[in-house]
Amino acid sequence: NAGVTQTPKFRVLKTGQSMTLLCAQDMNHEYMYWYRQDPGMGLRLIHYSVGEGTTAKGEVPDGYNVSRLKKQNFLLGLESAAPSQTSVYFCASSYERAHEQYFGPGTRLTVT
Amino acid sequence: GENVEQHPSTLSVQEGDSAVIKCTYSDSASNYFPWYKQELGKRPQLIIDIRSNVGEKKDQRIAVTLNKTAKHFSLHITETQPEDSAVYFCAVFMEYGNKLVFGAGTILRVKS
Repeated sequence: NAGVTQTPKFRVLKTGQSMTLLCAQDMNHEYMYWYRQDPGMGLRLIHYSVGEGTTAKGEVPDGYNVSRLKKQNFLLGLESAAPSQTSVYFCASSYERAHEQYFGPGTRLTVT
Repeated sequence: GENVEQHPSTLSVQEGDSAVIKCTYSDSASNYFPWYKQELGKRPQLIIDIRSNVGEKKDQRIAVTLNKTAKHFSLHITETQPEDSAVYFCAVFMEYGNKLVFGAGTILRVKS
């Protein structure tokens, strides 16, 4: 059981470039989430999904898109990266909505 | 709106002493309150959680207390050890919006 995995671990982008972060979970969880973590601000929810084929906006969705084509995968896309998107991104999954969330190892993204 | 305030932002204690971190929230319909621990460079991991039908929960040296009337809950760590040094996040599951909202975190340093 790998749990929740994320690729890549690190990435440096130039302003305006695009990229996709991949999250995968092998726990058969319905719920998946993307957070960003910035110093002094905790974890803020970007987008989430309550099941295959569904997505919903979180607290800070602007500049990001997501897709959940398969139950085990949740993709986060940045169409035109901005320096304000420099952050550590965590994916998480859970069995139920108000239940323990299992986090991936994170992706450190720098936008120059 | 959704608001979770966490205090203190940093806490230094001597090994063996107790540590208490407090969070307040605004949504009276909230019913799930987890605490996560994040070691440096690692992913957040659940250490304890409580639901609104109980007032206190203990797991060895860790306890959480909940006061629904006052809308606050606290994490108590007794007999602190150097390995307790980490960032601790409280979170509140907001029924409105169907999501977990995190506090800004508390850096706990245990001095030996």
